[in-house]
Amino acid sequence: DIQMTQSPSSLSASVGDRVTITCRASQGIGNDVAWYQQKPGEAPRRLMYGTYKLQRGVPSRFSGSGSGTEFTLIINSLQPEDFATYYCLRHNRYPFTFGPGTKVDIK
Amino acid sequence: QVQLVESGGGVVQPGRSLRLSCAASGFNFSYNAIHWVRQAPGKGLEWLTLISYDGTSKYYADSVKGRFTMSRDNSKSTAYLQMNTLRPEDTAVYFCARDTSATPDYWGRGTLVTVSS
Repeated sequence: DIQMTQSPSSLSASVGDRVTITCRASQGIGNDVAWYQQKPGEAPRRLMYGTYKLQRGVPSRFSGSGSGTEFTLIINSLQPEDFATYYCLRHNRYPFTFGPGTKVDIK
Repeated sequence: QVQLVESGGGVVQPGRSLRLSCAASGFNFSYNAIHWVRQAPGKGLEWLTLISYDGTSKYYADSVKGRFTMSRDNSKSTAYLQMNTLRPEDTAVYFCARDTSATPDYWGRGTLVTVSS
C-alpha cells in the first residue's frame, strides 16, 4: 500500500502566522489528496479535496498545492479557531490512507 | 441539513461481533457512497471501508478485510458495518461519512466501540 507521511508532527504558532503542513506519499498519487481538520471531541471536517479545491464554507486563508508525491496545506494568517489537528488523505485508489496528522497549537 | 448519525457501539468481548448503523438524512442517500473511518483513543484517523451508492462495490482496509462487512439499505437511508471476530485493537470511535468528489465530506459524530474482556 501507498504510505503517507506528514511533517511536522506538531507545531506551535501564533495568531496571524502563516502555517505550512506537508504530506508526502511513498509513490505518485497525482492530485488525489484531501485535507481534514479535527478538533478534540469532534468529527473531522473536510477543508480541501483534489489537492487544491476548497470545500464550500471553508475560509480562503486555507489553500492546498502539490502533485505526485508532495502536497502542502497552507494556512495564511492563523486564527484562534484554526488550532486543531490536520490530516491528509490519499484517495487515488483503495484502500485510502490518512497521514498521521499534524497538531497545531498555540505558542 | 446533511446529517449522519452512528449507533450500535458499546463494550464487547474479544472474538464477538457487533453491527454499527449509520442513519442519514438531509440528502438523497441513494446517490452517495458511504465511508467508515475509525480513530483509536488518542490516535489518528484510519480509513476502513467504502460502499458504493448502490451497494454493488465495496472496498476494505487490509486491517479489517475478511472480518468487517459493509452494507446499506437505501430504502431506510442507512448504512451498516458488521464487525466480526473483534480484537482489542479494534477499540475506537467509528465514524461514517458521506462521499462526494471521491472523499468523505460530511461526517457523523461517531460511536465508541470498546473491545475488552
